[in-house]
Amino acid sequence: DTGVSQDPRHKITKRGQNVTFRCDPISEHNRLYWYRQTLGQGPEFLTYFQNEAQLEKSRLLSDRFSAERPKGSFSTLEIQRTEQGDSAMYLCASSLGAGSYEQYFGPGTRLTVT
Amino acid sequence: GNSVTQMEGPVTLSEEAFLTINCTYTATGYPSLFWYVQYPGEGLQLLLKATKADDKGSNKGFEATYRKETTSFHLEKGSVQVSDSAVYFCALGNAGGTSYGKLTFGQGTILTVHP
Repeated sequence: DTGVSQDPRHKITKRGQNVTFRCDPISEHNRLYWYRQTLGQGPEFLTYFQNEAQLEKSRLLSDRFSAERPKGSFSTLEIQRTEQGDSAMYLCASSLGAGSYEQYFGPGTRLTVT
Repeated sequence: GNSVTQMEGPVTLSEEAFLTINCTYTATGYPSLFWYVQYPGEGLQLLLKATKADDKGSNKGFEATYRKETTSFHLEKGSVQVSDSAVYFCALGNAGGTSYGKLTFGQGTILTVHP
């Protein structure tokens, strides 16, 4: 069990550029979640996948954001035309199931938009 | 919608002091409740959980009891150590529907323990 990994760990980009983040979940986990955390706040839910199906998207996720999980393995989160308000820590988590199952979090990708 | 409210921080204690971090929630159905911890420079990790009313979660000397009547899940530890310094998050797992399993977090409480 190598844990949840995220790449890159840090990303600095200029406003208006597109960025893509990758998350590799724990291999047998069928659920994958994306959260966003800003300084001094708890993580906020963005979206989640059950295998390759994206089952819910938060209203926080504007149409500039898109997420995929091809073949139910790794996932990518893309932000188009970045804005300064997108600056945050983007967290990925995976779990064996829903409900009481523990979500295992990755180290996060810190995005800074200048 | 679901929400979690944590006591305002930060909290500063001396080693061996008693710790309480309050957490209350609003939810439909019967959610699972969690405490996650984030140590400096590390990712979020589960500290303890409780899945139904009156359950007590415990780990590393920390405890929390799922109180449905007061919609609370307060975190306690009898004697804190310097190594417990971290940010603590209370979280609620949706009970069902399309959002089943999605976590709603409180804002976090920074704990600093001095020797």
